[in-house]
Amino acid sequence: KAGVTQTPRYLIKTRGQQVTLSCSPISGHRSVSWYQQTPGQGLQFLFEYFSETQRNKGNFPGRFSGRQFSNSRSEMNVSTLELGDSALYLCASRTGTRYTGELFFGEGSRLTVL
Amino acid sequence: GDSVTQMEGPVTLSEEAFLTINCTYTATGYPSLFWYVQYPGEGLQLLLKATKADDKGSNKGFEATYRKETTSFHLEKGSVQVSDSAVYFCALIVQEDSSYKLIFGSGTRLLVRP
Repeated sequence: KAGVTQTPRYLIKTRGQQVTLSCSPISGHRSVSWYQQTPGQGLQFLFEYFSETQRNKGNFPGRFSGRQFSNSRSEMNVSTLELGDSALYLCASRTGTRYTGELFFGEGSRLTVL
Repeated sequence: GDSVTQMEGPVTLSEEAFLTINCTYTATGYPSLFWYVQYPGEGLQLLLKATKADDKGSNKGFEATYRKETTSFHLEKGSVQVSDSAVYFCALIVQEDSSYKLIFGSGTRLLVRP
């Protein structure tokens, strides 16, 4: 069974640009969550999508947005990039049909903002 | 609000030494508790979990016991190996309506020397 796949793995942008990151969950998983990992703030929850609907959102500005498609794939977008947005963005999926407490993480997309 | 506090690293040990990484939490109710591990260049993997007080989670020689009275979930391993070098995250899960999010500690880097 393929794991959670995130693309691109690495990218470099400049301030003011926007970026879109993609996440393909494990087949059959309907819930996708996004986390931001930085050395200073650690791992912070961005949002969760389930069946194309945002179910929960963390404490991030409106520049951070996401969506989920009918095949459960998800994208997150960050507009007007700031230096502080440099981070590893992790996507995680779970089945969503029964709570097991386990999230399956991808390897992340490392964003560098110059 | 809910939070997780874990000991700061890095923790440097010699191979076959005993490992303890402390983790305490603050939460309403009795959340499920987790240890995740992040190997260099990879995403997070679930190491072990405990869903109620006095439960002991174990995996790959690692153990942690859910202590309600001390609100702790310390990670232990009797004999570490070089391959255990990684960052370890303690986490609890928070349910908000039908959505779940993980609250992570700041992570503890473990370096095991041969």
